Amino acid sequence: GEDVEQSLFLSVREGDSSVINCTYTDSSSTYLYWYKQEPGAGLQLLTYIFSNMDMKQDQRLTVLLNKKDKHLSLRIADTQTGDSAIYFCAESHGGFKTIFGAGTRLFVKA
Amino acid sequence: NAGVTQTPKFQVLKTGQSMTLQCAQDMNHNSMYWYRQDPGMGLRLIYYSASEGTTDKGEVPNGYNVSRLNKREFSLRLESAAPSQTSVYFCASMSLTLENEQFFGPGTRLTVL
Repeated sequence: GEDVEQSLFLSVREGDSSVINCTYTDSSSTYLYWYKQEPGAGLQLLTYIFSNMDMKQDQRLTVLLNKKDKHLSLRIADTQTGDSAIYFCAESHGGFKTIFGAGTRLFVKA
Repeated sequence: NAGVTQTPKFQVLKTGQSMTLQCAQDMNHNSMYWYRQDPGMGLRLIYYSASEGTTDKGEVPNGYNVSRLNKREFSLRLESAAPSQTSVYFCASMSLTLENEQFFGPGTRLTVL
């Protein structure tokens, strides 16, 4: 079945770049997402990429998609303490269901 | 716009008690969802409603029922709570736009003793 996997924890120093990785199994995914969850809150869409793209950049965020290896990454440049959160990778065919990974908890050390 | 609202924010139940989690959205979205979030397991879909008048099982529906009361409201009922249902529950809604973004409520933290 469809599955999305990501590592559970990442720790970086403030000012460094963070790279959060994700793999997915469904080769027919149309949309791939990164959602952010801050403490005590629901998830919010951070960015997304269509499956026909290789890269998307949005200010400090860079999303890379390797469709052959079914690998998605999120790079956060100049990571700040405010970036500490849980980041969820997710995929969708464009229908009603979105499949979420377990989430990567990012710790940013001052 | 309030977005997606959920009540209550916190709840403690005893085993065997029942309760209903309420969810409402004011974005005129067709689709609504209930997820549970457990440590290390991410979000698991309990039930969803693709449109008003329809509901479908997700990945973990056992022990739950849902009602899509109208386009705005989608409730989740636990008829006989069990400790395994201790979790954080999120409601979400989605409009079938270009990127199919889901909008989440703030969550309900439920403890079953």
